[in-house]
Amino acid sequence: KNEVEQSPQNLTAQEGEFITINCSYSVGISALHWLQQHPGGGIVSLFMLSSGKKKHGRLIATINIQEKHSSLHITASHPRDSAVYICAVRGVTSNTGKLIFGQGTTLQVKP
Amino acid sequence: KAGVTQTPRYLIKTRGQQVTLSCSPISGHRSVSWYQQTPGQGLQFLFEYFSETQRNKGNFPGRFSGRQFSNSRSEMNVSTLELGDSALYLCASSLWATNSPLHFGNGTRLTVT
Repeated sequence: KNEVEQSPQNLTAQEGEFITINCSYSVGISALHWLQQHPGGGIVSLFMLSSGKKKHGRLIATINIQEKHSSLHITASHPRDSAVYICAVRGVTSNTGKLIFGQGTTLQVKP
Repeated sequence: KAGVTQTPRYLIKTRGQQVTLSCSPISGHRSVSWYQQTPGQGLQFLFEYFSETQRNKGNFPGRFSGRQFSNSRSEMNVSTLELGDSALYLCASSLWATNSPLHFGNGTRLTVT
């Protein structure tokens, strides 16, 4: 079993829909990152979380440390949100501090 | 501020050769990390440097090595290239070694023939 699991792996939505992508992890972490990668493009960091909730525009990220779970929500989705969304966690100690990635969620938003 | 710069963007090498990739972080950032991305394995952590010291290393063979210079620029080297080393190699910089947002470069696409 992977240390970081994302669901769903693929997601198709209609423009305007509310979208949720989930990330579950099995290791102790010091931080969790949500990343976005457009086809052929580079990776953009959306959020870094260690507790609670963060919001940037139409994007909201939450984390529950006790349940080892994080969600990324997109409100009023738009075709330009089509991308791969990747969850990554960083371990708690300097020895385990490497980033561990989920397999990614491919989102397509149709107009 | 200029973003993270990786050079070269594309590289074609032959099996058995070696390759050096370069990463210039955002000015003021002291941490640089390297990642390999392939269709089959996704993103995998290679190594991380902070103030010229390697802090963490991923599960890659010793053919993969890196270093960081006093100006925070970093290089990674792959020796004795194998076909399976064909991948997108990404670097990211951050202000601190832990719990700082990551800023990624556009990557170097390495093809091994």
